[in-house]
Amino acid sequence: AQSVTQPDIHITVSEGASLELRCNYSYGATPYLFWYVQSPGQGLQLLLKYFSGDTLVQGIKGFEAEFKRSQSSFNLRKPSVHWSDAAEYFCAVAPLGGSGAGSYQLTFGKGTKLSVIP
Amino acid sequence: DAEITQSPRHKITETGRQVTLACHQTWNHNNMFWYRQDLGHGLRLIHYSYGVQDTNKGEVSDGYSVSRSNTEDLPLTLESAASSQTSVYFCASSFTGDEQYFGPGTRLTVT
Repeated sequence: AQSVTQPDIHITVSEGASLELRCNYSYGATPYLFWYVQSPGQGLQLLLKYFSGDTLVQGIKGFEAEFKRSQSSFNLRKPSVHWSDAAEYFCAVAPLGGSGAGSYQLTFGKGTKLSVIP
Repeated sequence: DAEITQSPRHKITETGRQVTLACHQTWNHNNMFWYRQDLGHGLRLIHYSYGVQDTNKGEVSDGYSVSRSNTEDLPLTLESAASSQTSVYFCASSFTGDEQYFGPGTRLTVT
């Protein structure tokens, strides 16, 4: 069964500092990969996704993520954090290939809560 | 604008009662999903549907049921609510091969 590990439960950074959130997955092949963000009391919003092609993926709000097959990782980065980035971030994977919605059942990591110091 | 809505947003119920949480999407997505979110567990899949009359169990389906009578709606029913089902519930929808779009969530408390 596939699994997703986000090693950091809580990260605190200063506004303007760079950010990297880690995500490692366990799966027999390359899955589809996603990063979602959840602001307090809100639903999840997609930041970016990787299906194939260029391993550096650009997303919304200035975020990017790099897929590294050799490390089974899909880390999320932002060069300069803004106070509004404080939220919880979830990495998720879905099986590649197959047919129907089953190919896109998401398995989520447990999330990393980001706090930003002004 | 197309959207996905959930109702109610907050619900308090008693142990043993039947509860139904509504999910409605206007994107005409064929796929719909229900997740629960608990501290320390992230989001876990309860049930999902590929289309009308199709339903499937997810990772944590015990005590829950869904039915899909049209494209827009996937209600989630707790047959006999238990305190362990106190959680935040999220509905999501997608076209096959695309990202999932999430609703705002329903906070359910079982007393």
